[in-house]
Amino acid sequence: QAVVTQEPSLTVSPGGTVTLTCGSSTGAVTSGHYPYWFQQKPGQAPRTLIFDTRDKHPWTPARFSGSLLGGKATLTLSGAQPEDEAEYYCFLSYSGASWVFGGGTKLTVL
Amino acid sequence: EVQLVESGGGLVQPAGSLRLSCAVSGFTVRNNHMSWVRQAPGKGLEWVSIIYNNGNTYYADSVKGRFTISRDNSRNTLYLQMNSLRPEDTAVYYCVAYGGNSDPWGQGTLVTVSS
Repeated sequence: QAVVTQEPSLTVSPGGTVTLTCGSSTGAVTSGHYPYWFQQKPGQAPRTLIFDTRDKHPWTPARFSGSLLGGKATLTLSGAQPEDEAEYYCFLSYSGASWVFGGGTKLTVL
Repeated sequence: EVQLVESGGGLVQPAGSLRLSCAVSGFTVRNNHMSWVRQAPGKGLEWVSIIYNNGNTYYADSVKGRFTISRDNSRNTLYLQMNSLRPEDTAVYYCVAYGGNSDPWGQGTLVTVSS
């Protein structure tokens, strides 16, 4: 089974910009992996921020954006807010027969 | 308004069975890809199974041969039949849709496998 890798933890200053990455043990992440990004705060169910690489829900804050860069999927947060402190998970499809989560990135806004 | 409500969790002994349900409103289950995802206490998210809108189903290796995903189109409900349960299946189980219906998630249902 493929392994999806994320930074275990990152710290960003309030108002700052941070990029979370999502890599695959099988090679470059492409749009064919249909990358998703989820946000989970303690004691809450996850929320979907980004689907299909860069698509957002109407309620996804504009400061979040998804893309592909350097063979990885990325989630960029521009203008971090205290309420963005959370765990972030990426999620990739492998030919539709398997989907794999990354281990999560704990983002601290400090 | 999209809403997913999971139910059916509880305490079960090892080797026992449970059937989870996910009642969906706001979109049609048969027209969407749907998955079950679980989260063990204090751990990350783990994909369990998917049923595509064409009816094809796939499973994580950890549950293959023990779990079965299905849907009832008339009830607009997703199911997960879990057999031969093991302590390592203990988790909160969420149902989730894909694409434009991938949010919100439900609150999940807790499955505890213990003697």
